[in-house]
Amino acid sequence: QSVLTQPPSASGTPGQRVTISCSGSTSNIGGNTVSWFHQLPGTAPKLLIYSNNQRPSGVPDRFSGSKSGTSASLAISGLQSEDESDYYCATWDGSLKVVVFGGGTKLTVL
Amino acid sequence: EVQLVESGGDLVQPGGSLRLSCAASGFTFSTYWMDWVRQAPGKGLEWVANIKEDGSKKTYVDSVKGRFTISRDNAKKSLYLQMNDLRAEDTAVYYCARDLLRGACHWGQGILVTVSS
Repeated sequence: QSVLTQPPSASGTPGQRVTISCSGSTSNIGGNTVSWFHQLPGTAPKLLIYSNNQRPSGVPDRFSGSKSGTSASLAISGLQSEDESDYYCATWDGSLKVVVFGGGTKLTVL
Repeated sequence: EVQLVESGGDLVQPGGSLRLSCAASGFTFSTYWMDWVRQAPGKGLEWVANIKEDGSKKTYVDSVKGRFTISRDNAKKSLYLQMNDLRAEDTAVYYCARDLLRGACHWGQGILVTVSS
């Protein structure tokens, strides 16, 4: 049972816009910034979004992040086949004093 | 180029010990927090521990407290994870990561630890 709740799966067709949610509480998302990672099978995760909505260099602007209260979202516009991956949200939990991850969302491009 | 290379993974019996290493290159190692994150087979990511730039502060997830110790040697640009009293549930790919929740985040390729008799 993850501290942050993500839908286990999401899907969309090429060109579509999809969003992945990440729900937490006041001790984690509510009080700290959120990062998003993506991970292809058999490879290491990579940073996609940090500080709620900042993209590292090299990440396309099709990817965007947002946060409101105790929830965060990752949006992917202009969906492409190579976006098929696992996506994880993460943040610091000030009560547990640990980094917490969401359970991950498997995105399928139909 | 930023590189993080883990080593030390192995098959170990329950109750055994293992020391993971993470060799850093391509950046000023001593100026970054470092983390260990693990992923059990077919499961999601689980944060394990982190350590401050100078090694003065360390934090652990409850499930490894008292069994795992994170450390670093800034002169050798290396991060370590000493794992004692290993259990089957510690079986995972272990990743070292730089600046995990910030913009300079970078992950190693991971190393497999298998705990089994």
